[in-house]
Amino acid sequence: SQQGEEDPQALSIQEGENATMNCSYKTSINNLQWYRQNSGRGLVHLILIRSNEREKHSGRLRVTLDTSKKSSSLLITASRAADTASYFCATDAQGNKLTFGGGTRVLVKP
Amino acid sequence: DSGVTQTPKHLITATGQRVTLRCSPRSGDLSVYWYQQSLDQGLQFLIQYYNGEERAKGNILERFSAQQFPDLHSELNLSSLELGDSALYFCASSVGWGIGDEQFFGPGTRLTVL
Repeated sequence: SQQGEEDPQALSIQEGENATMNCSYKTSINNLQWYRQNSGRGLVHLILIRSNEREKHSGRLRVTLDTSKKSSSLLITASRAADTASYFCATDAQGNKLTFGGGTRVLVKP
Repeated sequence: DSGVTQTPKHLITATGQRVTLRCSPRSGDLSVYWYQQSLDQGLQFLIQYYNGEERAKGNILERFSAQQFPDLHSELNLSSLELGDSALYFCASSVGWGIGDEQFFGPGTRLTVL
């Protein structure tokens, strides 16, 4: 099974609302990364949070990491239609090989 | 634009055939990673090269092979293709090989095996 598992699998919100998705993983990590993928296209790196960090911000993105619970969350505030995409968490439990979760599909309705 | 380029964008071929996917990393990046994304398996790490040498191996089939050339571009060779090999193949690059390096992904090559 995959190291990272995102929850929920799909999310539908109105423009302007916040979107929150979670990622759980099984083994200890050095860092956790979040990526965005627009339909069938390449992955765009959003943010990297190290195991000794608890929270990180980048623009409208807020990522938290709880290593005791082996979980992370990604919050997108004031969502826009352009945020419609799939979001993946990736962990490096196996060194520099990233292990991806199944992703959360986010639909932002205008 | 991540700076990682992949060719071709699309590839349609038949079972039993062999194809080569090409990746050029960002300028200055020494590591190249290959990933496969399919509907049933999700995104899976295949293999990593660092400065011309194999660095890490993932779920790569024996029918698949890769190499990184002196100019740091990489090729992924897929042979004896099966229907199940149809997927998006991504290349990523990073500056180093170590833990915590941000990986920059290319746009992918969509392979369809008929």
